[in-house]
Amino acid sequence: AQKVTQAQTEISVVEKEDVTLDCVYETRDTTYYLFWYKQPPSGELVFLIRRNSFDEQNEISGRYSWNFQKSTSSFNFTITASQVVDSAVYFCALSEYSGYALNFGKGTSLLVTP
Amino acid sequence: GAVVSQHPSRVICKSGTSVKIECRSLDFQATTMFWYRQFPKQSLMLMATSNEGSKATYEQGVEKDKFLINHASLTLSTLTVTSAHPEDSSFYICSARDSAGGPRSVYEQYFGPGTRLTVT
Repeated sequence: AQKVTQAQTEISVVEKEDVTLDCVYETRDTTYYLFWYKQPPSGELVFLIRRNSFDEQNEISGRYSWNFQKSTSSFNFTITASQVVDSAVYFCALSEYSGYALNFGKGTSLLVTP
Repeated sequence: GAVVSQHPSRVICKSGTSVKIECRSLDFQATTMFWYRQFPKQSLMLMATSNEGSKATYEQGVEKDKFLINHASLTLSTLTVTSAHPEDSSFYICSARDSAGGPRSVYEQYFGPGTRLTVT
């Protein structure tokens, strides 16, 4: 069975601070896909990244970076120099195959204050 | 980029009535669509997998007679909440899988903007 754990329920930071959102996953599959989504108050999911299990390279996109470590089954997400617009709920998710339904973690609510 | 629409975006209905939610892939074909439900301050939970031309597959604990899914075309899936009750009030989100597939047989899926259902 697959499971995604986001242990941090809520995080509050002051603008310009760096913040890391943790994601730990469980799966018996050797091939799987990991995702991060942002959900602002409007509710619409915003896709941030997809990573397959064979690609452990870390990724950086602007202020966002992701650290994928199979050894610890973690796929952590870091926002550098956070901004108020980063305030949202962030979900980590896992799917068995590409295009299959996603198994979501419980989400981390990030609040960035000025 | 690929777009998935949902209609309506927000609906209020009275207890005991039925409401239909549409999920459309606007610029790609989707033989498979997924329906998720999200209660306030909770995560998204998969309700069912909708397959074009065949019966939907429901997750454990989801009443198939209450949540009717129809996927009659390659771009449209509908979710009908029958005899809605206040506990059905939730945010319903669909996602659609692009049938075409991409490099290395990776199938992209795209989420709709969601439908907020309130049952009074």
